[in-house]
Amino acid sequence: ELKVEQNPLFLSMQEGKNYTIYCNYSTTSDRLYWYRQDPGKSLESLFVLLSNGAVKQEGRLMASLDTKARLSTLHITAAVHDLSATYFCAVVLMDSNYQLIWGAGTKLIIKP
Amino acid sequence: DVKVTQSSRYLVKRTGEKVFLECVQDMDHENMFWYRQDPGLGLRLIYFSYDVKMKEKGDIPEGYSVSREKKERFSLILESASTNQTSMYLCASSKDRGVDTQYFGPGTRLTVL
Repeated sequence: ELKVEQNPLFLSMQEGKNYTIYCNYSTTSDRLYWYRQDPGKSLESLFVLLSNGAVKQEGRLMASLDTKARLSTLHITAAVHDLSATYFCAVVLMDSNYQLIWGAGTKLIIKP
Repeated sequence: DVKVTQSSRYLVKRTGEKVFLECVQDMDHENMFWYRQDPGLGLRLIYFSYDVKMKEKGDIPEGYSVSREKKERFSLILESASTNQTSMYLCASSKDRGVDTQYFGPGTRLTVL
């Protein structure tokens, strides 16, 4: 059974600081998604990582995937208040109609 | 832009009522999904569909059924609502089977009293 664990589940940080959210998963998969959810809103796709060593960046967010370690990271550089949201990772369950298995989400609060 | 719409943003129903949640996508996507989202649990897949009239159970199908009579529409049905079905329900669609980004609707917050 594929399990996806995110940590931390809650993060409060100051603007301007750097931080990393971790997404660990328990069985083989080489495809991983990161999504963002603003309060009261739906989920918005941020990144899809399709292979070992994949790195994607947009603005202050950078995501990477290490399939051997079964780990993805979402790094935030010089955080700004607008990045406050809940971030989810989701891993493709291979050999099962490519179902997504979701982490519990990391609620990120960035204080001015 | 992909647009996924859900019939209601907020819904309040009584225990035992039959509840219909509707989802429509306008991008001719093959795949549609119903999830429920609960705090601390992430998203859990209820049912999904890869084609018209086709459905497959997800992780938590008990107490739910679905209908996909047309490609663009995917309905979630609670035959007899119970209080433990109070949740946020999210519909999503994606273009192709396999590796493909899912696009989400705004969600329906269902409260069962």
